[in-house]
Amino acid sequence: EPEVTQTPSHQVTQMGQEVILRCVPISNHLYFYWYRQILGQKVEFLVSFYNNEISEKSEIFDDQFSVERPDGSNFTLKIRSTKLEDSAMYFCASTRGQSNQPQHFGDGTRLSIL
Amino acid sequence: AQSVSQHNHHVILSEAASLELGCNYSYGGTVNLFWYVQYPGQHLQLLLKYFSGDPLVKGIKGFEAEFIKSKFSFNLRKPSVQWSDTAEYFCAVNTNYGGSQGNLIFGKGTKLSVKP
Repeated sequence: EPEVTQTPSHQVTQMGQEVILRCVPISNHLYFYWYRQILGQKVEFLVSFYNNEISEKSEIFDDQFSVERPDGSNFTLKIRSTKLEDSAMYFCASTRGQSNQPQHFGDGTRLSIL
Repeated sequence: AQSVSQHNHHVILSEAASLELGCNYSYGGTVNLFWYVQYPGQHLQLLLKYFSGDPLVKGIKGFEAEFIKSKFSFNLRKPSVQWSDTAEYFCAVNTNYGGSQGNLIFGKGTKLSVKP
């Protein structure tokens, strides 16, 4: 079964540095999402992306965050100037359709900000 | 705003015991409901989903869930758990309301530990 793949599995970065998390969604999927999970807390929605633009974002997704799909296969999340509180697991997900289609998740990237 | 509550943070059972994990959501309109499972070191996997129709849905690995609209609940059940069911279980909801693009609202998760 095709899978969503995320790289790297673990990223350690100094506070204030930029970080890019990469995702390769399932190839025939059209909707893409980023979620994050701070240790011990619930999985939280960050942003959804469709037709090469952001379709919805949460209040967490401030100006420090951006997403793009640069080449038709990768889907990236960039954090411009990382803060300690950005330390979390970041999950990418994709789906063929909208809400009535299940989302397929990647393994996640553990981001540790020092 | 929509929210999802999972009542149990950590459940410990012996093999062959029956399982019921609670999930309640707050939203008055039409919802889609999901249970995801995360085995240690693995990604979130869909266990089962409810969109419409029969409120009792069956998923993979012998799991089932019942949607009770009047109680805003979607509890997960399994008659007899196995050691391999040890994992974290997440209830999630999304809607079509207001042009939502289907982003999932998750509960905090319930960690299930099954003793052999």
